[in-house]
Amino acid sequence: QKEVEQNSGPLSVPEGAIASLNCTYSDRGSQSFFWYRQYSGKSPELIMFIYSNGDKEDGRFTAQLNKASQYVSLLIRDSQPSDSATYLCAVGPSGGGADGLTFGKGTHLIIQP
Amino acid sequence: DTEVTQTPKHLVMGMTNKKSLKCEQHMGHRAMYWYKQKAKKPPELMFVYSYEKLSINESVPSRFSPECPNSSLLNLHLHALQPEDSALYLCASSHPVLIDTQYFGPGTRLTVL
Repeated sequence: QKEVEQNSGPLSVPEGAIASLNCTYSDRGSQSFFWYRQYSGKSPELIMFIYSNGDKEDGRFTAQLNKASQYVSLLIRDSQPSDSATYLCAVGPSGGGADGLTFGKGTHLIIQP
Repeated sequence: DTEVTQTPKHLVMGMTNKKSLKCEQHMGHRAMYWYKQKAKKPPELMFVYSYEKLSINESVPSRFSPECPNSSLLNLHLHALQPEDSALYLCASSHPVLIDTQYFGPGTRLTVL
């Protein structure tokens, strides 16, 4: 049974600061990792994906992957009130392919103006 | 363009009704998915279609019946649902190359009375 663990929060961060969201996963064979942002009542929106160890940057977002530690993180720089949402960490199937994603329970992020 | 559309946005049905949810994408994605999401929970995989064939059924009750008429369209037929089936139903499709990478539609909010 694959598991993806996230701290449910809420995580409260002042506006302009760096928000750091963390995720661990149980399946050592997992190859693909995703961060989705979900506003209340809306569907998940893909904001980052990462396949290789190290950092991947896209604008204010940086995803970090450490396969040895089975750890994925998302950093949001210069946090804005509009970043307040639930962030879902998701892990792809072992070996890749169209097998669906396994999601963590999500971290509720609050950016304080 | 990563647009997945779903209709209807909201649906209220009685336990004896038959209804269908519709999902459409015109991005050439060859894998499509149905997920169910209850309030404050992560999405749970229900079905996967790969190249228009059902490849995964996550032990979903038979009152949910998926159909993939063509590569752009995915339906979910509903019959004799229970109140506990009330949820947000999400459709997703996969990038044709990065096949693990899924994009979600806006969802259908289903209420069963």
